[in-house]
Amino acid sequence: AQKVTQAQTEISVVEKEDVTLDCVYETRDTTYYLFWYKQPPSGELVFLIRRNSFDEQNEISGRYSWNFQKSTSSFNFTITASQVVDSAVYFCALSEARTDSWGKFQFGAGTQVVVTP
Amino acid sequence: DTEVTQTPKHLVMGMTNKKSLKCEQHMGHRAMYWYKQKAKKPPELMFVYSYEKLSINESVPSRFSPECPNSSLLNLHLHALQPEDSALYLCASSQRQVYNEQFFGPGTRLTVL
Repeated sequence: AQKVTQAQTEISVVEKEDVTLDCVYETRDTTYYLFWYKQPPSGELVFLIRRNSFDEQNEISGRYSWNFQKSTSSFNFTITASQVVDSAVYFCALSEARTDSWGKFQFGAGTQVVVTP
Repeated sequence: DTEVTQTPKHLVMGMTNKKSLKCEQHMGHRAMYWYKQKAKKPPELMFVYSYEKLSINESVPSRFSPECPNSSLLNLHLHALQPEDSALYLCASSQRQVYNEQFFGPGTRLTVL
């Protein structure tokens, strides 16, 4: 079975603060994919990043950065110098590569980020 | 064009009505998905089409009927829904069913009276 845990239900920060969202996953597979999505109040899920299990390099994209650590089964996401537009629900998701999982996404429960001016 | 479009944006229907949700993508993706999302919950997978064939049905009640007329279009036909079916219905597409990120549409907010 696969499982994704986002223990933080809601994080509130003041603009310009950094915020880190935790994602811990469980899988028995050696090949899997991890994703982060942003869902603003408008409802559309916006794809942010995909990481495969063989690539542990951290990634930075503008104010966003991701820290993937297989040793702790974590794929954490940091927003640096947060802005009001970052207010959204953020989902972490896991997809296993084996045939019987059919590429299905297992989403975490989501973390609501509230950025106030 | 990296967009998935969905119509309508909002839909209100009675329990005896028949309606359809429409989804379209022009990214050449060969996998398309329907998800249901309740407030403050993650999306739940309903159906997956891969190369225009139904690949996954997550034991969805028969009052929801998917259809994939061609590689760019995905429909969800609704009939005799219940008030608990009120939710945000999201369509997504990906290059293939496995290994790839999914791109989501803006969703249809469905209210069943």
